[in-house]
Amino acid sequence: GAGVSQTPSNKVTEKGKYVELRCDPISGHTALYWYRQSLGQGPEFLIYFQGTGAADDSGLPNDRFFAVRPEGSVSTLKIQRTERGDSAVYLCASSLNPSGAGYNEQFFGPGTRLTVL
Amino acid sequence: DQQVKQNSPSLSVQEGRISILNCDYTNSMFDYFLWYKKYPAEGPTFLISISSIKDKNEDGRFTVFLNKSAKHLSLHIVPSQPGDSAVYFCAANGGSQGNLIFGKGTKLSVKP
Repeated sequence: GAGVSQTPSNKVTEKGKYVELRCDPISGHTALYWYRQSLGQGPEFLIYFQGTGAADDSGLPNDRFFAVRPEGSVSTLKIQRTERGDSAVYLCASSLNPSGAGYNEQFFGPGTRLTVL
Repeated sequence: DQQVKQNSPSLSVQEGRISILNCDYTNSMFDYFLWYKKYPAEGPTFLISISSIKDKNEDGRFTVFLNKSAKHLSLHIVPSQPGDSAVYFCAANGGSQGNLIFGKGTKLSVKP
């Protein structure tokens, strides 16, 4: 059980390629978040889902980044035309919080380390 | 422009002594603060939180103090144990949708 899982754990790709990163949240968690952690930095918010809809995508750096959660559970983060600067650990988190606001303990997965050569 | 700042990238403490990790923030609208602990190759794990209406929250060896007027919080670990060695992130719940805003982290090393 249980925790948030992410696949793959590591992904190496070439500049210009397309990648998909998958997140399986904790069962029953309606809120799902994607963060990106670059070397020496804390996690930075990318996008938040409440159910199937992206409630806040203000953290996505540009239109090469896109995420979906079609059935309100598993989410996929998609990156087109990858660049070397996209190399980072991509973290997914889920929470029970139905509204997103207020106290919001988020449970994180182990992350996917993306390396763009 | 960092809204949550952890100015010490690292801290080394002797086993049994107190570890104090500091965090400063700029936005007075933040309503909750959380501390996460991260081991290499793992995701951050929740440690302790504090509401902005409190000034202290304690859980076992971990205590978080909040000074709203100074926009400062600190995590105290006492006594420190070698297993506490990890990177500690301070985070604020500031987004309207609950996204967390993290500091850069402080790497704690507890020496036996």
